[in-house]
Amino acid sequence: DTGVSQDPRHKITKRGQNVTFRCDPISEHNRLYWYRQTLGQGPEFLTYFQNEAQLEKSRLLSDRFSAERPKGSFSTLEIQRTEQGDSAMYLCASSLAGTGWYNEQFFGPGTRLTVL
Amino acid sequence: AQSVTQPDIHITVSEGASLELRCNYSYGATPYLFWYVQSPGQGLQLLLKYFSGDTLVQGIKGFEAEFKRSQSSFNLRKPSVHWSDAAEYFCAVGATGAGSYQLTFGKGTKLSVIP
Repeated sequence: DTGVSQDPRHKITKRGQNVTFRCDPISEHNRLYWYRQTLGQGPEFLTYFQNEAQLEKSRLLSDRFSAERPKGSFSTLEIQRTEQGDSAMYLCASSLAGTGWYNEQFFGPGTRLTVL
Repeated sequence: AQSVTQPDIHITVSEGASLELRCNYSYGATPYLFWYVQSPGQGLQLLLKYFSGDTLVQGIKGFEAEFKRSQSSFNLRKPSVHWSDAAEYFCAVGATGAGSYQLTFGKGTKLSVIP
């Protein structure tokens, strides 16, 4: 079963360091989403791509965050100069773009980031 | 902007008992509504969704939900809970504005099941 995969599953870093996460969507899915989930909260939308184009970004995506999907397949999310407030689970999801509004978003297991 | 409220942070039920998880949403138009379940170490899994039509929707694992426009609610129900249902449950609303595909989630309800 080739679902959405994320790497690494866990990342511990020191404040001020840069980190990069990778998401591999389901192979035929052309939409890819990033969400952030902090303890006791539901996932919060960060950004989404259709193919390689980044079409929507949340206010939560500060200048220290950058996401790319260079060839419309896998995506990376980089956080520069990490802060303790960045500690969270980063979730990736993918879906097909269809004729209707919504095609189910399939979520990966997430990358848990701890900033010391 | 849309929002979702799940009033119950934690619910404990006995195995075999019925379950209802509450969800209230705020959105200006007819919303797209979803319930997801998250088990430890697992990704979010879609249980069911509502777009239009019949207000009672059936999902996987024996769950159902009822959309009530007058109450701005989309409560999740299951007639008989199994120990494997212990997990965290999230209600979400999808924006219907053109070009926006983000989901807005509630804070979740953690379900514990007593044998």
